[in-house]
Amino acid sequence: NAGVTQTPKFRILKIGQSMTLQCAQDMNHNYMYWYRQDPGMGLKLIYYSVGAGITDKGEVPNGYNVSRSTTEYFPLRLELAAPSQTSVYFCASRGLAGINEQFFGPGTRLTVL
Amino acid sequence: KQEVTQIPAALSVPEGENLVLNCSFTDSAIYNLQWFRQDPGKGLTSLLLIQSSQREQTSGRLNASLDKSSGRSTLYIAASQPGDSATYLCAVPSGGYQKVTFGTGTKLQVIP
Repeated sequence: NAGVTQTPKFRILKIGQSMTLQCAQDMNHNYMYWYRQDPGMGLKLIYYSVGAGITDKGEVPNGYNVSRSTTEYFPLRLELAAPSQTSVYFCASRGLAGINEQFFGPGTRLTVL
Repeated sequence: KQEVTQIPAALSVPEGENLVLNCSFTDSAIYNLQWFRQDPGKGLTSLLLIQSSQREQTSGRLNASLDKSSGRSTLYIAASQPGDSATYLCAVPSGGYQKVTFGTGTKLQVIP
């Protein structure tokens, strides 16, 4: 049981480039989330999904896109990278009501130069 | 809108001391509350999850309590160790359960 996995761990992008951050979970969780955390700051929700085929915006969705074609995968797409997107990105998952602990991936550290 | 506050924002204690971290939330209609720790440069690790029907949850030297009516939770750390140094966050489901609202965090430093 790997939990929540993220790739890559680190990435440097040039302004205007695009990339996809990968996230996978093997716990059959319905809910999945993408957060960003700027240095010394709290978590900000980018997008979330309550199940395959269903996604919704969080607090800071601009410049990002997501898709959720299966329960396991929830990739985050950055289009036209900007320096303001330099951050650490965390993917998380959570089960339905009941024992619904949230689990986090190790994060992707992204620098846009 | 659910708001979650943690006091203090930072705490420095000598090794061996018992300590309490506080978490307050504005909407008491919560399903559960979860405590995390985050080490510098790392992701969040789940410490304890308390269901709304529970008043306490224990794991090793950690004990978390929940008082829904007053909108408060505490995380008690017994016999603190330098390895406990980290930022501790509490979190509650919000937005009709679909989202999670995180507290502002308490940065703990345990001095050897």
